[in-house]
Amino acid sequence: DQQVKQNSPSLSVQEGRISILNCDYTNSMFDYFLWYKKYPAEGPTFLISISSIKDKNEDGRFTVFLNKSAKHLSLHIVPSQPGDSAVYFCAASVGRDDKIIFGKGTRLHILP
Amino acid sequence: DAGVIQSPRHEVTEMGQEVTLRCKPISGHDYLFWYRQTMMRGLELLIYFNNNVPIDDSGMPEDRFSAKMPNASFSTLKIQPSEPRDSAVYFCASSLPPGQPQHFGDGTRLSIL
Repeated sequence: DQQVKQNSPSLSVQEGRISILNCDYTNSMFDYFLWYKKYPAEGPTFLISISSIKDKNEDGRFTVFLNKSAKHLSLHIVPSQPGDSAVYFCAASVGRDDKIIFGKGTRLHILP
Repeated sequence: DAGVIQSPRHEVTEMGQEVTLRCKPISGHDYLFWYRQTMMRGLELLIYFNNNVPIDDSGMPEDRFSAKMPNASFSTLKIQPSEPRDSAVYFCASSLPPGQPQHFGDGTRLSIL
């Protein structure tokens, strides 16, 4: 029973365009959300997070949007760069002191 | 700064053998997590520790799996006996409070033949 769902296993985007990665969750108690990025043969690295008291958080080229009523969040990368090609994991927790539940990941390919 | 260190990076062994994966967390981090990544199930939390004490082991698949943290700088994940379906990449991560961004090691790719 996946509490955090990333329904697109992969996504291809042209370099310079916007990449939008989507994530849905089922547990209405989740109130802290994170995105991790993973390169091959490396561990995931933290990218950006958002608390449920906000609906948007921005860090440079990365913006995360949260729609609590739809239980949906998305990660926008603009402009997309070749180094953004990686697997992106969406994750959620109940408060900052609980364990994090990860989605299965979306593989992003940035095309030249 | 040294990150989370896992060993070995790769392990290939035959079914029925004991496998021990090792992890050194970042100094000062109170929480340590063991994850397993597979194509089918993604990144699953197996167990996590706070101050060397296991807090939640509900993700440990069966009794063949065990984890210990004898001190703040070392943890092991053991599989005995190993089975082909245990083949996966196993990650260790550490953090301050668990909801804070976790820092992952580079993983151990385990293949059970």
